[in-house]
Amino acid sequence: GESVGLHLPTLSVQEGDNSIINCAYSNSASDYFIWYKQESGKGPQFIIDIRSNMDKRQGQRVTVLLNKTVKHLSLQIAATQPGDSAVYFCAENRNNRLAFGKGNQVVVIP
Amino acid sequence: NAGVTQTPKFQVLKTGQSMTLQCAQDMNHEYMSWYRQDPGMGLRLIHYSVGAGITDQGEVPNGYNVSRSTTEDFPLRLLSAAPSQTSVYFCASNLAGDSYEQYFGPGTRLTVT
Repeated sequence: GESVGLHLPTLSVQEGDNSIINCAYSNSASDYFIWYKQESGKGPQFIIDIRSNMDKRQGQRVTVLLNKTVKHLSLQIAATQPGDSAVYFCAENRNNRLAFGKGNQVVVIP
Repeated sequence: NAGVTQTPKFQVLKTGQSMTLQCAQDMNHEYMSWYRQDPGMGLRLIHYSVGAGITDQGEVPNGYNVSRSTTEDFPLRLLSAAPSQTSVYFCASNLAGDSYEQYFGPGTRLTVT
């Protein structure tokens, strides 16, 4: 498998701390958003999604927040673990196809 | 289930050569897509298919062809490779419906010299 993650915004976080990854989207008409995680050498993996009629959704250790007023999406990871080190992408539904952001690298410091 | 599989994992081509990247899924998903990923960028959609016999262009279709003769397979063809097509290619599939949760393959790293 392969991954690409050079020259991305990087968040360094201490193991056990909470992580917040931010994403700005462009289309105010987008009605669906997804966060993906891409570990080194692998394809992207679904984390959590949210529809535009919600402003918050929680999963296991992850929370996605949606602020439609400023077109902003965030992913919060609680108690970050070394296995959370990866590149994280947000994606929005644009004309029934997903449009991906450029990604954010998260590095967990043991 | 094997999920989404891609072959080959690595490929080096000379400019002007042609090749086909293979993608298969065993989840009976209607939708399949091809993306390319370049350094520091997100995934860009090349072509997609909403079912057997139906394909459409994505954001960056030039230089690539696709076909969807079966639900399971969605090959991507490069007719005349160019250095600008050096990239990592991902295939993805998902069920039709309201969710766009896509399942991705492991990727193919293509280098065109």
